[in-house]
Amino acid sequence: SQQGEEDPQALSIQEGENATMNCSYKTSINNLQWYRQNSGRGLVHLILIRSNEREKHSGRLRVTLDTSKKSSSLLITASRAADTASYFCATDTSGYSTLTFGKGTMLLVSP
Amino acid sequence: DTAVSQTPKYLVTQMGNDKSIKCEQNLGHDTMYWYKQDSKKFLKIMFSYNNKELIINETVPNRFSPKSPDKAHLNLHINSLELGDSAVYFCASSKDGGLQPQHFGDGTRLSIL
Repeated sequence: SQQGEEDPQALSIQEGENATMNCSYKTSINNLQWYRQNSGRGLVHLILIRSNEREKHSGRLRVTLDTSKKSSSLLITASRAADTASYFCATDTSGYSTLTFGKGTMLLVSP
Repeated sequence: DTAVSQTPKYLVTQMGNDKSIKCEQNLGHDTMYWYKQDSKKFLKIMFSYNNKELIINETVPNRFSPKSPDKAHLNLHINSLELGDSAVYFCASSKDGGLQPQHFGDGTRLSIL
């Protein structure tokens, strides 16, 4: 069965608001990655967080990882209409870039 | 300029036909992948190749055969297409050594009539 489960399945917010997406997984991981997918396009890598890290930042993105709860969250601050996309978490259990993806969260940011 | 390119972007064909999807990456990566994304957007790994050698083959019907002529190319050939093969197929690549992000192509939307 799939490793990652994102929550919520869909999220609708206004521009300027923050968006938080959660990911839960089942087995021990080496690292966890977040990807964005715009409609009709491929996935784009956002952030990789190792199992021994608790938080990572990249621009307006903040990722946390709680290995005791087997969960991660992605926070997008001050969202923009261009952030509208699906967001996926992916777990790497081996450390050799073999990823298992969740079903994703669809984010809609309205102007 | 495109890092990972797939052709064709759309493929519409009849059940029972054989078709191929091509993938090329110009990033110098050693590992390439094929994924299938279903209508509910669930993305599942099919194959992984490292330096032209198969390293992962998930539970995929043997009608699907990947071919890697060199480390920059990983093509996917599908025999005897079935209705359930309708999906978006993504090619991706990554550097060796683990802890590496994957770079994806824009996908090939396969529709079986």
